[in-house]
Amino acid sequence: DQQVKQNSPSLSVQEGRISILNCDYTNSMFDYFLWYKKYPAEGPTFLISISSIKDKNEDGRFTVFLNKSAKHLSLHIVPSQPGDSAVYFCAASVTAGTASKLTFGTGTRLQVTL
Amino acid sequence: KAGVTQTPRYLIKTRGQQVTLSCSPISGHRSVSWYQQTPGQGLQFLFEYFSETQRNKGNFPGRFSGRQFSNSRSEMNVSTLELGDSALYLCASSLVRDARREQYFGPGTRLTVT
Repeated sequence: DQQVKQNSPSLSVQEGRISILNCDYTNSMFDYFLWYKKYPAEGPTFLISISSIKDKNEDGRFTVFLNKSAKHLSLHIVPSQPGDSAVYFCAASVTAGTASKLTFGTGTRLQVTL
Repeated sequence: KAGVTQTPRYLIKTRGQQVTLSCSPISGHRSVSWYQQTPGQGLQFLFEYFSETQRNKGNFPGRFSGRQFSNSRSEMNVSTLELGDSALYLCASSLVRDARREQYFGPGTRLTVT
């Protein structure tokens, strides 16, 4: 069973516009969420994270929103740039007990066009 | 500071064979996790090692095993390879065992089973 779901396999956005990537989860025990970005032939790199005690975290052009009641989080990129074109993975963890195990979604490929 | 390195980068094996993949974490990092990435499945957690002990294991058959050495380098082994084992195998290291801390990924080993 896929506990972390990214239902959009791909997304195309024009440069300068907002990119919104979505992620849903089913396990209510998850209390920490992360976004990773992956370029071809490279490993994923950490982008931004959020604790379940918050509903928003911002870092430059990247903002993550968490809606615990809906078990939904989203990553907003504003403004989108061509260098943002990559696969974005949402990940979740339970920080107690099974620390450091991340459950990943299947990824969303973002294409930022000129 | 050197990043996470994985060897080999590419590997082709035949069904029934076994394979060993290697991961060298960032210097000073003691936690090493392994993930399998396949199209449509995202990154799936295999196992985590810390201080030479397996601390966490994902839902993979016993054909998948690993170990960690005293210098924190880790190896994973897959025995009796099956076609479905074809995937990108990613190793990630972190300073401590804490899912809130960033994990640093290597570029992966692309395994093809024919």
